[in-house]
Amino acid sequence: SQTIHQWPATLVQPVGSPLSLECTVEGTSNPNLYWYRQAAGRGLQLLFYSVGIGQISSEVPQNLSASRPQDRQFILSSKKLLLSDSGFYLCAWSRPGTNQPQHFGDGTRLSIL
Amino acid sequence: TQLLEQSPQFLSIQEGENLTVYCNSSSVFSSLQWYRQEPGEGPVLLVTVVTGGEVKKLKRLTFQFGDARKDSSLHITAAQPGDTGLYLCAGGAGGYQKVTFGIGTKLQVIP
Repeated sequence: SQTIHQWPATLVQPVGSPLSLECTVEGTSNPNLYWYRQAAGRGLQLLFYSVGIGQISSEVPQNLSASRPQDRQFILSSKKLLLSDSGFYLCAWSRPGTNQPQHFGDGTRLSIL
Repeated sequence: TQLLEQSPQFLSIQEGENLTVYCNSSSVFSSLQWYRQEPGEGPVLLVTVVTGGEVKKLKRLTFQFGDARKDSSLHITAAQPGDTGLYLCAGGAGGYQKVTFGIGTKLQVIP
């Protein structure tokens, strides 16, 4: 069976510090990978998605970047965090192809001080 | 831009009651998913529907995809406290699996 791991579960960072959130998927090959931010009352906002190693599409211009160094590894990064980067970050995967649902990790609660 | 509207946004009911929540759009989707999310956790997939008019049942939960594939409903029979959570619908369209999420319906089932 497939599993998705996302860490850390919670993170408190000062403004201006760097960020690295990691997500790995097990039990499948060549998954589509996604990073979302979820804000209360605003739903899930797609930040990045990837259909293969080194292939990253950005949905929203922002202070964040993503990388996919290996087939089942997806990393969300920032060089300098802003207060507005606080939120709940979710990683998800899906099989390639049409009508494939996304499966989510447990999320990272990021607080910027 | 495709939008999915969910209603109601909040629902508080007594254990044992029935309820229906809705997911509506002016756009056609090739598939639609329902998720349940608990506080501090990621959404968990409940069901995927792909055919207009399709009905799927998951124990006390009944999911229906509209004939025109623009809307969906989730009906819960005899709600239990364990049904408490945020219910999200998500519509898929396009070959690269980008989906549109609704804001969700926050359900509270009171014992």
